[in-house]
Amino acid sequence: SQELEQSPQSLIVQEGKNLTINCTSSKTLYGLYWYKQKYGEGLIFLMMLQKGGEEKSHEKITAKLDEKKQQSSLHITASQPSHAGIYLCGAIPAGGYSGGSNYKLTFGKGTLLTVNP
Amino acid sequence: DGGITQSPKYLFRKEGQNVTLSCEQNLNHDAMYWYRQDPGQGLRLIYYSQIVNDFQKGDIAEGYSVSREKKESFPLTVTSAQKNPTAFYLCASSTRGTYNSPLHFGNGTRLTVT
Repeated sequence: SQELEQSPQSLIVQEGKNLTINCTSSKTLYGLYWYKQKYGEGLIFLMMLQKGGEEKSHEKITAKLDEKKQQSSLHITASQPSHAGIYLCGAIPAGGYSGGSNYKLTFGKGTLLTVNP
Repeated sequence: DGGITQSPKYLFRKEGQNVTLSCEQNLNHDAMYWYRQDPGQGLRLIYYSQIVNDFQKGDIAEGYSVSREKKESFPLTVTSAQKNPTAFYLCASSTRGTYNSPLHFGNGTRLTVT
């Protein structure tokens, strides 16, 4: 089955510092989503990456998908306390639309980010 | 504003009782999902529904049941057969499958069974 490894599990940074969170798949991906979650709340969609080598940015957050489509990184520039939360990657394996795979998004275990003011 | 509403936010039940979690969406999405989140284990798919009157088991469906009688609603029943029901439950929806449409999530229901 599809597995996603996120690293690090947790991260504490000083406000203003840059940071990177990684998400690695055991299989080639059709696409990868990044979400953010505040504790005890739902997930907020950040970005979706589908093409090898693709890079997207939103405000101070940049996500990249490697050429092989097995690894993604999420980079935050000049972190702020508002960036604190849990970041999760979710992915769909490559291989077509059979067996309901189109609906079975697999998630990593998340990275807990703390930003100290 | 459109969105997904889960209720209640907190739910307490005694062991051996069935309990139903509500999920309503007004996004006109065809697909709906239930995930369970436990500390250190990420999100795991319980059930999903591609269309009204149809639903499929996810990875951890044992001890759970769902119905999809209306497009807007996808309630989840946690039965007494579920061995470890205490968890944070998240409902989500998408336009269609997840290949090209992101999931939109509700704010979750925290279920505690004692």
